[in-house]
Amino acid sequence: DQQVKQNSPSLSVQEGRISILNCDYTNSMFDYFLWYKKYPAEGPTFLISISSIKDKNEDGRFTVFLNKSAKHLSLHIVPSQPGDSAVYFCAVSHDMRFGAGTRLTVKP
Amino acid sequence: NAGVTQTPKFQVLKTGQSMTLQCAQDMNHNSMYWYRQDPGMGLRLIYYSASEGTTDKGEVPNGYNVSRLNKREFSLRLESAAPSQTSVYFCASSVTGQDYNEKLFFGSGTQLSVL
Repeated sequence: DQQVKQNSPSLSVQEGRISILNCDYTNSMFDYFLWYKKYPAEGPTFLISISSIKDKNEDGRFTVFLNKSAKHLSLHIVPSQPGDSAVYFCAVSHDMRFGAGTRLTVKP
Repeated sequence: NAGVTQTPKFQVLKTGQSMTLQCAQDMNHNSMYWYRQDPGMGLRLIYYSASEGTTDKGEVPNGYNVSRLNKREFSLRLESAAPSQTSVYFCASSVTGQDYNEKLFFGSGTQLSVL
C-alpha cells in the first residue's frame, strides 16, 4: 500500500514560472514531512521540511504547504530555474517512507 | 567532507551470485538505512539500523541481509541475486533516528544489474 503518493510522474514548466509539486498521504498520524531533490547519478538531498503544527514553511524560492484536513502537501518553487530540473521526492519521517517522485523539467 | 560513501558504484551479477554492498559514513551518525529505487516506486526502505548493534526490517527486506559492522559501516548482502533485485541502491544516515524532524543524508548510490 502506498501511504505516500505523488501522482504526477513528471512536470514541465518554463523558466521564471511557478512549479507546484504535489504529495498526498493516507495516515493522519504522520507529523513531519520532508522534500528531497535528486539529480541523475547522485543521491537525494534534503530540500525543505514541515511539521504538522504548521501549514507553511518557506526557504528562499521554496515553500511547502500542508493541508492536514486533505492530507496533502505541496512544494512551490518560485521562480523556477533550469538548475531546479531534478526528481523531487516527498517523504514522511514517521517511518522514513518516500513517494514515487516527480521529475521536474524547467525549460529555458 | 566525504559524508556517506557507497561501494561499488556499478555491479553486474548473474542470477544466484552473491555480493555485499558497502556503506560508510563519517558524520558520527547513529542511524543508517538501505533503500532501493525503482522506476515508479520511489525509494523503498530495505533495512535500517537505529544504532550500532541493532538492525530492523523495512518495507522490502526479502532477499537481503544487513550487518552493522560498527558505528560507521552498514553493509547490505544479497545471498542469491535475482533479476528482481536489479535496482539502484542507496545508503543513508541520520543523527539519531529518534527525532521525527531528522533529515537523511544519502550516498551516491550503487547501480546493480542482475542478469
